[in-house]
Amino acid sequence: QVQLQESGPGLVKPSETLSLTCSVSGGSISNYYWSWLRQPPGKGLEWIGYIYYSGSTNYNPSLKSRVTISVDTSKNQFSLKLNSVTAADTAVYYCARGAGWYDPWGQGTLVTVSS
Amino acid sequence: QSVLTQPASVSGSPGQSITISCTGTSSDVGAYNYVSWYQQHPGKAPKLMIYDVNNRPSGVSNRFSGSKSGTTASLTISGLQAEDEADYYCNSYSSSTSYVFGTGTRVTVL
Repeated sequence: QVQLQESGPGLVKPSETLSLTCSVSGGSISNYYWSWLRQPPGKGLEWIGYIYYSGSTNYNPSLKSRVTISVDTSKNQFSLKLNSVTAADTAVYYCARGAGWYDPWGQGTLVTVSS
Repeated sequence: QSVLTQPASVSGSPGQSITISCTGTSSDVGAYNYVSWYQQHPGKAPKLMIYDVNNRPSGVSNRFSGSKSGTTASLTISGLQAEDEADYYCNSYSSSTSYVFGTGTRVTVL
């Protein structure tokens, strides 16, 4: 079955750019929507945005000015960039298949914003 | 950013049925049949339990069911089991924010 795995730095300095990649295995990235979501420690879930395999995107309006999601079909990967980060961006970041409902999810990766 | 309102906690004894509510507005839950529910055990990724209000993915127990009335969606767990103890989140499409999650509900099996 399809499995997702997030990768990237676990520590990012304030004002810098958070960059994560989601590798998809067990299936093709084609013909699906792919999403990024996050969960601050001890808090609830937040949808960040999604990308269709063809490249079209939709972002959470509250993050839209700082977010870019891209896809590399040749590598079966999609990526997240969040710029100008602050401590409020500290969270477990998840990648998932779908837009509207999400299944399956990656295991998540904790990203801490701190100097 | 607006969120959907869920009770902070719900509890029940083994074998009982419980219902978790998810209250939104006419711009999200009340307007679209795009409500999904997720189960999250501590330290784990969320798991899809219900999509499009009342559809169960393959492999999810039929003890889980979803419904919607007006601006409130509900998740019912029947025959409560110890393994159902977890956090549950609802999610809906929203005309203003695209997709919005609920505040989350901690389910405790007594």
